[in-house]
Amino acid sequence: DVKVTQSSRYLVKRTGEKVFLECVQDMDHENMFWYRQDPGLGLRLIYFSYDVKMKEKGDIPEGYSVSREKKERFSLILESASTNQTSMYLCASSLLDTNQETQYFGPGTRLLVL
Amino acid sequence: GENVEQHPSTLSVQEGDSAVIKCTYSDSASNYFPWYKQELGKRPQLIIDIRSNVGEKKDQRIAVTLNKTAKHFSLHITETQPEDSAVYFCAASLFGNEKLTFGTGTRLTIIP
Repeated sequence: DVKVTQSSRYLVKRTGEKVFLECVQDMDHENMFWYRQDPGLGLRLIYFSYDVKMKEKGDIPEGYSVSREKKERFSLILESASTNQTSMYLCASSLLDTNQETQYFGPGTRLLVL
Repeated sequence: GENVEQHPSTLSVQEGDSAVIKCTYSDSASNYFPWYKQELGKRPQLIIDIRSNVGEKKDQRIAVTLNKTAKHFSLHITETQPEDSAVYFCAASLFGNEKLTFGTGTRLTIIP
């Protein structure tokens, strides 16, 4: 079974703090994604990566950056956390195979920015 | 870019009845349409998907239909059971592009 893990289930941070959210997958997937989930807005893509050291902006990248130094790890960085970044953050991974697009999600990190 | 609209946002059905959730997409080049189910407190999981060369796909009580001309696709759940209660998300993507655009979700409640 594919296993996608996230470093924290719950985080509480102060406005202006630098926040790191980490995601690790153990199935050698090339693709990794970061989403935020908000009520009524569904899943919105922040950043994704097709390979190590590669990143592409999603639909809502403002205020975020990412890092992918190793294939199995994809980090989301909030350079200066703001209250409007309070949300559930979901990481996902998938194979780089057009016949196997299934995305496997992590358990999520619920971030509260005070 | 792609835009996916999903309706309804909430749906309540009696146990044993059928449920239908509908999505429309904007990019006619999209050709992969998955559905994800997210139970309360859990992660989203793929339940069924369809490609543009197929009009309908079934998996036991779940089916998905696709109308490429009208650019809409639907999830059908028959003989609903309490464990079907969850939030369902539709999504769309271009062939060979793993980026998914999700709908806003439908909270389905099965009434015993």
